[in-house]
Amino acid sequence: DAGITQSPRHKVTETGTPVTLRCHQTENHRYMYWYRQDPGHGLRLIHYSYGVKDTDKGEVSDGYSVSRSKTEDFLLTLESATSSQTSVYFCAISESGGRAISYEQYFGPGTRLTVT
Amino acid sequence: QKEVEQDPGPLSVPEGAIVSLNCTYSNSAFQYFMWYRQYSRKGPELLMYTYSSGNKEDGRFTAQVDKSSKYISLFIRDSQPSDSATYLCAMTRNTGNQFYFGTGTSLTVIP
Repeated sequence: DAGITQSPRHKVTETGTPVTLRCHQTENHRYMYWYRQDPGHGLRLIHYSYGVKDTDKGEVSDGYSVSRSKTEDFLLTLESATSSQTSVYFCAISESGGRAISYEQYFGPGTRLTVT
Repeated sequence: QKEVEQDPGPLSVPEGAIVSLNCTYSNSAFQYFMWYRQYSRKGPELLMYTYSSGNKEDGRFTAQVDKSSKYISLFIRDSQPSDSATYLCAMTRNTGNQFYFGTGTSLTVIP
């Protein structure tokens, strides 16, 4: 299994509080991603990073921010959590060598977040 | 319209059956096509990928891509109870690293 860990694995928080989820990899892969998974919507990309301090928005980025100060860590922050952000959050990593597109994404175990 | 459409099922088959899972897509720029398997409360794991059109076989699994119809399939031969999971299709263009996923099809293989 790819060395990806997510913390915390479960979290319950109240509306309006800030929340930070952490993704840590030991594979030294360049690309890291945050997805959310909801019934009827599948996996949707929130933000991704293509290097240290290099990030870009995905399909559902509103209400989320990210930071990547080290290759191995990618943080997802909900500045003020809302009930609509209750979801399962997955981190993924991939590596792209030169001009080759990276088709292999490896996923972490997920974080279940409940916003009450 | 979603970029990728996938029938959510659920699909229930007897052990040993051939299973066919499908996705359609709307963006002709997609070049790479993947299938992931996701067990309950776990992260998705990559099963197979294909580039452009054609078939690819790996053991009991065969992936097919028909770009003219914007249709991809995953076939599972001699299905086993351990194949019971949700199967997600995914695809990406040739120029970026954004992946687009189907909603997943839930499969149960009955012993």
